[in-house]
Amino acid sequence: GDSVTQMEGPVTLSEEAFLTINCTYTATGYPSLFWYVQYPGEGLQLLLKATKADDKGSNKGFEATYRKETTSFHLEKGSVQVSDSAVYFCALSDTGANSKLTFGKGITLSVRP
Amino acid sequence: NAGVTQTPKFRILKIGQSMTLQCTQDMNHNYMYWYRQDPGMGLKLIYYSVGAGITDKGEVPNGYNVSRSTTEDFPLRLELAAPSQTSVYFCASSYSGEMGGNYGYTFGSGTRLTVV
Repeated sequence: GDSVTQMEGPVTLSEEAFLTINCTYTATGYPSLFWYVQYPGEGLQLLLKATKADDKGSNKGFEATYRKETTSFHLEKGSVQVSDSAVYFCALSDTGANSKLTFGKGITLSVRP
Repeated sequence: NAGVTQTPKFRILKIGQSMTLQCTQDMNHNYMYWYRQDPGMGLKLIYYSVGAGITDKGEVPNGYNVSRSTTEDFPLRLELAAPSQTSVYFCASSYSGEMGGNYGYTFGSGTRLTVV
């Protein structure tokens, strides 16, 4: 079945540091890929998405590129802020009928001033 | 522009009690979902619905029931609460077109449930 693997956390960075959060997937067909963010005490929010190979999703300074050859969708940001502290989830959706999202376990990012 | 609304936000139940977690969406989404989130475990799908009158089990359905009588509402029922059901519960909705696929979920703000 479909699965998403995220790097182990938590991750602690200083403000303005470069961020990479790794995500790899296993799926049949051609899935869509997503990053969700969960701020403390809130539900998950869609951060960015990509629907086909080589697409780049971007939002709020975050980027991720759909790499079919390496089955990866790594999240990057050039300069993190304290306000980026949150839990980040990678997810995929297959393109078949009744396609549900499959989530990774999530990783906690803490950014210190 | 409410999106997905969950009630209540917090609840403490005694073992064996029952309750219903409410979920309403105003985006005319056809799909709705219930997840539970436990520390370090990500999200686990409890039940989902692809439209009014249609529900199906997810990964962890035991101890829960759902119904979908309208497009907007998708309540989750706990019949005999157990400590193992202590968790944060999230409802979500999405739109999936005729060709399948998923355009991304909209989540509610969650219900924190403690069973003592």
